Amino acid sequence: DAGVTQSPTHLIKTRGQHVTLRCSPISGHKSVSWYQQVLGQGPQFIFQYYEKEERGRGNFPDRFSARQFPNYSSELNVNALLLGDSALYLCASSLEVNSPLHFGNGTRLTVT
Amino acid sequence: GENVEQHPSTLSVQEGDSAVIKCTYSDSASNYFPWYKQELGKRPQLIIDIRSNVGEKKDQRIAVTLNKTAKHFSLHITETQPEDSAVYFCAASDSNTGKLIFGQGTTLQVKP
Repeated sequence: DAGVTQSPTHLIKTRGQHVTLRCSPISGHKSVSWYQQVLGQGPQFIFQYYEKEERGRGNFPDRFSARQFPNYSSELNVNALLLGDSALYLCASSLEVNSPLHFGNGTRLTVT
Repeated sequence: GENVEQHPSTLSVQEGDSAVIKCTYSDSASNYFPWYKQELGKRPQLIIDIRSNVGEKKDQRIAVTLNKTAKHFSLHITETQPEDSAVYFCAASDSNTGKLIFGQGTTLQVKP
C-alpha cells in the first residue's frame, strides 16, 4: 500500500511569493493534518481537515490556508512568504480525527 | 497553552544498554500519547502509542508508561542497537481535536 505522498519534495521560493504544497493520504484515510517542522524542533500543528471540513487550526498567521478535496487529498497554501517560513512541511493522514497519524516524507521549503 | 516538555535533549548509550526518554504534558484533557522516531532526512514514524485508559504498553524492545496523575509518560528501549539511533519525539493530544503537541525531541546515539 502506498503511504502518504507529498509533492514537491523540495521547493525554493523568494520572499513575497506564494506556494502550494500537495498531499495524498493513505487510501481509506479521511483526515489530513499539516505540520511545520523547523530544523532541530518538533513538528508544529498547522491545520487538520476531516471530510473536507477544517477541524483545527494552529497558531499560524492567515497567510497559511488549506483545503481538502472530495478524494481526501489536501493542499496547503502559504502567501507572502517570509524567510522564517523555511521549514519541512509534513502532511499526515489518519482514518478518523483521533486515530494515529501517519506522516509523509514532507516538502522541504526554502525561502530566500 | 498546551505544552509538552521532553528530556533529555541528547542521550548516548552503549549498544545493549537501555534508554529512557521522559515527557510531561500540561493539558489534563490529553488522552493520547504517541512516540515517533525520525531518522535524519526522513519522516517521523510512529513506533508506539498509548491511551489514557492504559498505564503501560509494550512492543518487543519498546515500552511506554503513563502516569496520568503526574502528567508524565516515558519511552523505554531495551537492548539498544545502532539502528535505534535517531531523534525521538513524544506527543500528546486529546481525542476531540486530534491535534498533536510535540516535545522538542531527543537525539539518541547508540554506540557500537
